[in-house]
Amino acid sequence: EVQLVESGGNLVKPGGSLRLSCAASGFTFSNVWMNWVRQAPGKGLEWVGRIKSKVDGGTADYAAPVIGRFTISRDDSKNILYLQMNSLKAEDTAVYYCTGDHVLIAVGGMDVWGQGTTVTVSS
Amino acid sequence: DIVMTQSPLSLSVTPGEPASISCRSSQSLLHSNGYTYLDWYLQKPGQSPQLLIYVVSNRASGVPDRFSGSGSGTDFTLKISRVEAEDVGVYYCMQAPRTPFTFGQGTKLEIK
Repeated sequence: EVQLVESGGNLVKPGGSLRLSCAASGFTFSNVWMNWVRQAPGKGLEWVGRIKSKVDGGTADYAAPVIGRFTISRDDSKNILYLQMNSLKAEDTAVYYCTGDHVLIAVGGMDVWGQGTTVTVSS
Repeated sequence: DIVMTQSPLSLSVTPGEPASISCRSSQSLLHSNGYTYLDWYLQKPGQSPQLLIYVVSNRASGVPDRFSGSGSGTDFTLKISRVEAEDVGVYYCMQAPRTPFTFGQGTKLEIK
């Protein structure tokens, strides 16, 4: 079964750090470009960033609000995606989803989503 | 950044009736590889979002054929031919020809 399971969400103080993990199973993780998408309470979806597969360069792109504070990485030997979040702000409070790009389809679309992990930034 | 604008933002539909959601982008979503990267997602209450339609008009696995997507360039539409109770939730369009990927504001579908 194709699956993504996020973990690491927690309550953290403004200015603090947190690392989220996303464990992948049921597909060849190393071949897949992966994303993080977040959803603030009562709000819509916001793309956070994406990391390409290593064979495609392994580089990451980010949304403007997180540039310089968040870092996406991957460990293909463990099938885990990470989101390192530093200098956290109240506006980073959200449910964070990891997603896979066209895991089951040939092109386009984030067709696999995790269940989400909740990050709360508050003093 | 590409701005995605959905309309309407809410929809109340009688079961069995059709529904339509519009999504407009501030720039063409046609990639240099020939694909137009416009996707539709549905977030049912209390669930993670799920992919409905990818590259404008392709239904994801398990999506009923009452859902269809169309459009080109900057103008796209999601249609539900006959709404069912299980279709309630928030529908989002998303552009992905270039980063940063951006979503529309979401359209909330309710059943009358």
